[in-house]
Amino acid sequence: DAGVTQSPTHLIKTRGQQVTLRCSPKSGHDTVSWYQQALGQGPQFIFQYYEEEERQRGNFPDRFSGHQFPNYSSELNVNALLLGDSALYLCASSLSGRAWTEAFFGQGTRLTVV
Amino acid sequence: AQTVTQSQPEMSVQEAETVTLSCTYDTSESDYYLFWYKQPPSRQMILVIRQEAYKQQNATENRFSVNFQKAAKSFSLKISDSQLGDAAMYFCAFGGSQGNLIFGKGTKLSVKP
Repeated sequence: DAGVTQSPTHLIKTRGQQVTLRCSPKSGHDTVSWYQQALGQGPQFIFQYYEEEERQRGNFPDRFSGHQFPNYSSELNVNALLLGDSALYLCASSLSGRAWTEAFFGQGTRLTVV
Repeated sequence: AQTVTQSQPEMSVQEAETVTLSCTYDTSESDYYLFWYKQPPSRQMILVIRQEAYKQQNATENRFSVNFQKAAKSFSLKISDSQLGDAAMYFCAFGGSQGNLIFGKGTKLSVKP
């Protein structure tokens, strides 16, 4: 079992650009949550996808959007990048919507905006 | 809104000794979960231990145990027989009815040989 895999591991983008991050959940999991972890901080919840729909959303602007595919994999898109978007982006997968009882995390994507 | 507070930005422990990391939280919910996650330099969040709020018995996982005080909204992690591999960031997290995790700011644990 490969667990939760995220790609790419590192990414450098310029202000104003758009970025797409990808996540493949642990085998058998159907729910994907995305978190943003700024340097020296705890992860902050962005949104959660279940059955290909956004089910919960944290306090993030509409520049942050996502998608979940029929195979449960997910993408996080960020438009009009700001310097403040530089962070580690973590994906967590779980089963049947109970996102906090058996959440498994990937190793994250380190996004640097210059 | 739920909040999680970790008041110790950094802690240090001698190898083989015991250390306790503190966490307090605030919620109006009665049914929830509390977690301690470990984040080593590899960045991956690893679940250390989980506590269900309706269970009075404190959770234990090998060298890791918690002191869960529901009325005081306190959830501390005790690491016994500390090992060099325990050095990492430790995050306390709350999971409630919203279905997402709320994390504290973390405690950096150093283990001295």
